[in-house]
Amino acid sequence: SQKIEQNSEALNIQEGKTATLTCNYTNYSPAYLQWYRQDPGRGPVFLLLIRENEKEKRKERLKVTFDTTLKQSLFHITASQPADSATYLCALTKTSYDKVIFGPGTSLSVIP
Amino acid sequence: GAGVSQSPSNKVTEKGKDVELRCDPISGHTALYWYRQSLGQGLEFLIYFQGNSAPDKSGLPSDRFSAERTGGSVSTLTIQRTQQEDSAVYLCASSLTSGGALEQYFGPGTRLTVT
Repeated sequence: SQKIEQNSEALNIQEGKTATLTCNYTNYSPAYLQWYRQDPGRGPVFLLLIRENEKEKRKERLKVTFDTTLKQSLFHITASQPADSATYLCALTKTSYDKVIFGPGTSLSVIP
Repeated sequence: GAGVSQSPSNKVTEKGKDVELRCDPISGHTALYWYRQSLGQGLEFLIYFQGNSAPDKSGLPSDRFSAERTGGSVSTLTIQRTQQEDSAVYLCASSLTSGGALEQYFGPGTRLTVT
């Protein structure tokens, strides 16, 4: 069955550094991959979407890569700030009309 | 414009009772999802409604769980004969789902506690 894995350990980084989060998947061929941010006690909030024919997508300090050969997406936050501390979730879907499934999430803490 | 709303925000029920959780999606969104999130865990897919198509129920954990979406808008998730392991936050999300507009907008969730 399909499986999505993200960094198993919480990630702690120093303010100003680049945070890199990983999303790996098996037994799945997504056409779309999304990244969401979730703060405690709240629902996830959409950040970025990348399609299978796109290698890289950027939005302000965020960058996402999508390697369908490695079955992996990397999510980068440059010049990280304490306000970036949250849980980050990747989400995959096969087609624009298929269900979306989420990974377990990675907790990121940016230390001042 | 209003976002996705869910009610109640908190629900405490006794084991064995039935509960209904409500979701009001964003107007015009054709897709609606229900997820379950246990403490410190990721989102567990439950059910997905897309327009007039038959819902994808593949994530429902048992036949005690069911959901309806009336008139392509409001949805109700029903859990019958609740068990303690049903305790979790139940999240609803909607998306436009046309032209690949997949981003989901989540409600604040319903925290269900089964005692």
